[in-house]
Amino acid sequence: DAKTTQPPSMDCAEGRAANLPCNHSTISGNEYVYWYRQIHSQGPQYIIHGLKNNETNEMASLIITEDRKSSTLILPHATLRDTAVYYCIVRSLTSGSARQLTFGSGTQLTVLP
Amino acid sequence: GAVVSQHPSWVICKSGTSVKIECRSLDFQATTMFWYRQFPKQSLMLMATSNEGSKATYEQGVEKDKFLINHASLTLSTLTVTSAHPEDSSFYICSAAGRGAAYQPQHFGDGTRLSIL
Repeated sequence: DAKTTQPPSMDCAEGRAANLPCNHSTISGNEYVYWYRQIHSQGPQYIIHGLKNNETNEMASLIITEDRKSSTLILPHATLRDTAVYYCIVRSLTSGSARQLTFGSGTQLTVLP
Repeated sequence: GAVVSQHPSWVICKSGTSVKIECRSLDFQATTMFWYRQFPKQSLMLMATSNEGSKATYEQGVEKDKFLINHASLTLSTLTVTSAHPEDSSFYICSAAGRGAAYQPQHFGDGTRLSIL
C-alpha cells in the first residue's frame, strides 16, 4: 500500500474550517484514500473515503487532487469535540490482505476555543 | 449503523493471568475482524486478521500462542492474552469488515485498556 505523509500537528479555531492535508505521491490506480480519526482513549472512527472524485458526507469533505497524489480532509465548522488524531490511509483492494489498514502517525488536530 | 462493541473497556489483572477480550459487530455480519495494539503515544499496530471460521493470520513478531484469536461466528471475535505479563499492558482495539464491497470501510470498537500488575 502507498505510504502517506501528514503534518504531525495542526491547530484550528472553533467554528472555522479545518483543512487537513495528506500526501500520497506513490498512490496507484486501484488504491482508495481513507480518513479515520481517534479521539483520546477511544477506537478510531471512520470519517470518509474516496478513489478519485471529491466526496462529502455529514462529517466532512474529501478533496482529492486530479493526479491523486494528495488529498485534503475538510471539517467545515470545527468544534472542540473534533480535537483528535486524524489518520489518512491508502489501501489497495487487490493485495492479499485487501481490507488491512496500515496506520501512520497521523495529524493531531487541536481545535482552540 | 456499523457498530462494533468491545468488552471489557478496561481490565487490570495480575501477572500470569489470561485475559479474554470480546469484539462484536452489533448490526452487521463481520466476515473479517482485525486486532490492533496501541502503546502510549504510538499509532495502531495490526496484530492479526481473522476470517469467520478460519484460523487467524498473525503479523510478523506477534506470538500466536500468546494471543489466541477465535472468530467462530459472523458477529463475534475474541482475543485471549495468555499468561499476561506487564509488557503486554496496552490498548487493544478490534475492527470489523462486513460482506460488502472490498472498498467498504472497517469499523472499530472503542478499545480495551489492559493493565498487568
